[in-house]
Amino acid sequence: SAVISQKPSRDICQRGTSLTIQCQVDSQVTMMFWYRQQPGQSLTLIATANQGSEATYESGFVIDKFPISRPNLTFSTLTVSNMSPEDSSIYLCSVEGGPGLLYNEQFFGPGTRLTVL
Amino acid sequence: GQQLNQSPQSMFIQEGEDVSMNCTSSSIFNTWLWYKQDPGEGPVLLIALYKAGELTSNGRLTAQFGITRKDSFLNISASIPSDVGIYFCAGRTSGSRLTFGEGTQLTVNP
Repeated sequence: SAVISQKPSRDICQRGTSLTIQCQVDSQVTMMFWYRQQPGQSLTLIATANQGSEATYESGFVIDKFPISRPNLTFSTLTVSNMSPEDSSIYLCSVEGGPGLLYNEQFFGPGTRLTVL
Repeated sequence: GQQLNQSPQSMFIQEGEDVSMNCTSSSIFNTWLWYKQDPGEGPVLLIALYKAGELTSNGRLTAQFGITRKDSFLNISASIPSDVGIYFCAGRTSGSRLTFGEGTQLTVNP
């Protein structure tokens, strides 16, 4: 599997501010994804981070609220913009495909726990 | 859209007991994945299943891909305290995104 790190691991933010979360992988991967996990809930896909082009967002998520970058095959960022308490969640980066990785097997980072006051 | 029903929602068992949890779908899946999530961590992939009827083991864990391709189960034998956590199933059809179940919270009493 790939080794995935996320920064920050947790943060407490004021409403109206923005936070950028970084995801770094130790090897080149084909696919990178961003998920949200609200307290006590399952995982919801926010978007697929595409290298060199705009991210593909799922229904209910928009680029203005969750801008995503993916400058290369090992790194991506997710920004949570103009935050409100409803954005308090764990944000997870995941990866799939690449040398040494099987397609259809998705691996997750440790997550970023965000609390918005 | 695709929906996954995972059951049970929670389980409280004694150490040494066997555990079984399952997921059913309204759609046919080509892949089933089982994850475990510890508190404060990301989900960790336990077992991946690719073929209807496939039975795969990983230590004390065994998972099966249902013949109808609409269900999967995960068994844990001889549970130990470190099995505590939330177990998620996830499925997908070709080229589509993963759909996750709601999770099974497992508590193991020593």
